[in-house]
Amino acid sequence: EAQVTQNPRYLITVTGKKLTVTCSQNMNHEYMSWYRQDPGLGLRQIYYSMNVEVTDKGDVPEGYKVSRKEKRNFPLILESPSPNQTSLYFCASSLTYPQGGSPLHFGNGTRLTVT
Amino acid sequence: AQSVTQPDIHITVSEGASLELRCNYSYGATPYLFWYVQSPGQGLQLLLKYFSGDTLVQGIKGFEAEFKRSQSSFNLRKPSVHWSDAAEYFCAVGNNTDKLIFGTGTRLQVFP
Repeated sequence: EAQVTQNPRYLITVTGKKLTVTCSQNMNHEYMSWYRQDPGLGLRQIYYSMNVEVTDKGDVPEGYKVSRKEKRNFPLILESPSPNQTSLYFCASSLTYPQGGSPLHFGNGTRLTVT
Repeated sequence: AQSVTQPDIHITVSEGASLELRCNYSYGATPYLFWYVQSPGQGLQLLLKYFSGDTLVQGIKGFEAEFKRSQSSFNLRKPSVHWSDAAEYFCAVGNNTDKLIFGTGTRLQVFP
């Protein structure tokens, strides 16, 4: 089944404790992206990747890191999480860049709470 | 600057009633337009998309949307809402050179 898998679904952590949210897609998509969803703000892009070893900042990249060593995986790293990073996070992928019309496929989300 | 507006934060309808969710955009060129739905506890799923051609597009789950260039709108419609349609709906807009932008979403509540 074609899907985007992100783990974990729920994560509670403390300020400053490094964490990684994993994302994997099995559709051989070139484009992958991370979004955060906050009430009243919709989806905001954190980072995106057009292909292996190619990543770029989105609208809200501060406090986050990503890597794209393999085509299928695109982990999101929070080196020193802070409470303002408490949010619902989504990984998404598409065949090519979505602004050119390629639909995004989303994972089921990771709800992160930083205390 | 490009922008997408979903004016309705929350809409409540009765099951069986018709539905229209509004989406307005500001873009310099003819955009690519999408509607996504987010069911509770799930990721976003594509409902439909418009690139060119017929301005009325059909999607999954009985939804349709109409592109109106003169009004810069891409409203989502359904003639008869089912309880399972309760979800959050996002409009998204892009073109070849500018990134995809999502609206802030409209939460749909359906009463029996």
